[in-house]
Amino acid sequence: EPEVTQTPSHQVTQMGQEVILRCVPISNHLYFYWYRQILGQKVEFLVSFYNNEISEKSEIFDDQFSVERPDGSNFTLKIRSTKLEDSAMYFCASSRNQQGNTEAFFGQGTRLTVV
Amino acid sequence: AQSVAQPEDQVNVAEGNPLTVKCTYSVSGNPYLFWYVQYPNRGLQFLLKYITGDNLVKGSYGFEAEFNKSQTSFHLKKPSALVSDSALYFCAVRDQTGANNLFFGTGTRLTVIP
Repeated sequence: EPEVTQTPSHQVTQMGQEVILRCVPISNHLYFYWYRQILGQKVEFLVSFYNNEISEKSEIFDDQFSVERPDGSNFTLKIRSTKLEDSAMYFCASSRNQQGNTEAFFGQGTRLTVV
Repeated sequence: AQSVAQPEDQVNVAEGNPLTVKCTYSVSGNPYLFWYVQYPNRGLQFLLKYITGDNLVKGSYGFEAEFNKSQTSFHLKKPSALVSDSALYFCAVRDQTGANNLFFGTGTRLTVIP
């Protein structure tokens, strides 16, 4: 069964450093997302991406964040200058289309720890 | 504004007994509703969804969920729990006329006791 894969599974970084989280969405999916979950809190939407541009983004997704689809398979989330409060589990997801009734498939997550 | 409430952080049930994981939602329009399950060290796995039509929807692993519009609820159920059902369960909602992103609840940890 096809699945969304994320690397690395765990990333530790120093405050102020840049990090790139990587995702390979399901191959025939066209709509991509990043969500995050701070420990003990709910899963929160960050950004959605379709047709090589951002479709929607939340208030969390400020200028420190960026997304890119550098090639036909990868989808990345970059945090330019990490803060302690960026520590969270980051989930990548993809869906076949952008219709609201279509379920998203999630990766296993990257746990980011900022020290 | 869209939101989801999962009133129970933890649900314990004996193996073989029926289980219910509760979810209520708030959207301005009509909802699309989803249940996801998260096993340790795994991503969120899709279980089932409600789009329209029959209020009782069936999903993976014998789970089902009942949409109740008047109570704005979408409780997850299973007639007979298995130890392997122990996991973290998330309810999520999208407004049919609003943004395409999912709004999640805080999750309910289900423990099935042998």
